[in-house]
Formats: sequence, C-alpha cells, structure tokens
Amino acid sequence: AQSVAQPEDQVNVAEGNPLTVKCTYSVSGNPYLFWYVQYPNRGLQFLLKYITGDNLVKGSYGFEAEFNKSQTSFHLKKPSALVSDSALYFCAVRPGGSSNTGKLIFGQGTTLQVKP
Amino acid sequence: NAGVTQTPKFQVLKTGQSMTLQCAQDMNHEYMSWYRQDPGMGLRLIHYSVGAGITDQGEVPNGYNVSRSTTEDFPLRLLSAAPSQTSVYFCASSSLTGWGDTEAFFGQGTRLTVV
Repeated sequence: AQSVAQPEDQVNVAEGNPLTVKCTYSVSGNPYLFWYVQYPNRGLQFLLKYITGDNLVKGSYGFEAEFNKSQTSFHLKKPSALVSDSALYFCAVRPGGSSNTGKLIFGQGTTLQVKP
Repeated sequence: NAGVTQTPKFQVLKTGQSMTLQCAQDMNHEYMSWYRQDPGMGLRLIHYSVGAGITDQGEVPNGYNVSRSTTEDFPLRLLSAAPSQTSVYFCASSSLTGWGDTEAFFGQGTRLTVV
C-alpha cells in the first residue's frame, strides 16, 4: 500500500535553532513530493516540491527539503527557526509514472512549536 | 485571484440531515478533490475528479456523493449526516498538464459538526 509517514507528532525547537521535520514515503514509481503548512483555522499552503533534479529544493519562507531516494525520505529543514514558523506541517506524495492519477497521499502531520 | 473557494465555512447539522458543501475554482484546473481532516489522521481523500463528468472514490467515500458538471465546481453532498462525519473538509484543485507535478491549491475549509 502507498503511504506517507511523519514519525513525529510534534517538534519543539528554540527560535534561531535549525529545525527538521521528517517524512518518509512508500509509493511506486518516481514520486512527486510536496510540503504544505497549515496555520490555525486556515487551509493548506504550498511550501515546496521535489520533481526531479537537485536533491535539495528551496521553498517559501526560507524552508528547504532534502530528497533521499535510497532512504525514501523528504525531510523539511530550516537553518534558523522563527516563532512565526509554528504551525502544522504536512508531507504529501503523488505517485509518478503510470501510477500517477493526480491523487496526493498525505502524512498525518507534524506540529512545529518554536519557542522564543 | 480567488483560487479555491469553499462555502460555508462553518456548519452544524443534526443527525440525518443532508447538505452540500460547495467548492469552486477559477484556475481552470482539471483535477479537483475533497479531503477530510481529523486529528492525528492527516488528510484523507474522500472523492476526486479528473475532469467534468468524471469522478472516482478516494480512501473514505462512504456517506458522501459528488458530481462534476463543470470544470469550475465540485460539490460534496452528505445525504444523511452522521456524528462520524464531524470533521474539517477541504477542497483542493490542481492542474494535470504535463506530468502532474503541479502543487494543489486548497480552499479555506469547512468545519462541520453533526450532533
């Protein structure tokens, strides 16, 4: 079965420290990988995506993510966290190739708490 | 640009009532979908559509119906609401042009409570 896992329900970091939110996946074909952020009582906002090419992709608000094919991971990172980064983060995968029907498979979400 | 518009934002239903959640997008996206968000379970796909006249079931379709008569609109119908359908519902759309590598755009959500 195709799935996405975010192993941490919550990540706590101090402002100014680097942050990592983990994501691993199990899908067929070469997948398309996405990160979304959700602020309270809002919809999901797109942060970044990996389609092909350089394994390190950069996105909005200073976030970046590293694709690791051998470990089937796509961890979200930021060198210096801000209190305003506190939100719920979702990793999502769209299977590639012949398995691509447009559907996105989401992880369960990770709450990021950045403390001053 | 309006993007994806969902209405209503909040709704309280009694068990057994019916209602329709509206979703409209103005980006001419072929792909539209409905998700429900429950604590600790992420987003689960209810139904999706790859174009007008074409719909298919997602992961949790029971109790929900959809139709896609136009490219812009993708309403979600609850025929007989149950407390288990208490959730936050999100509509999303994306382009299928190319290899389907485009990001999805989400509405602001509908918070539904069934009592």
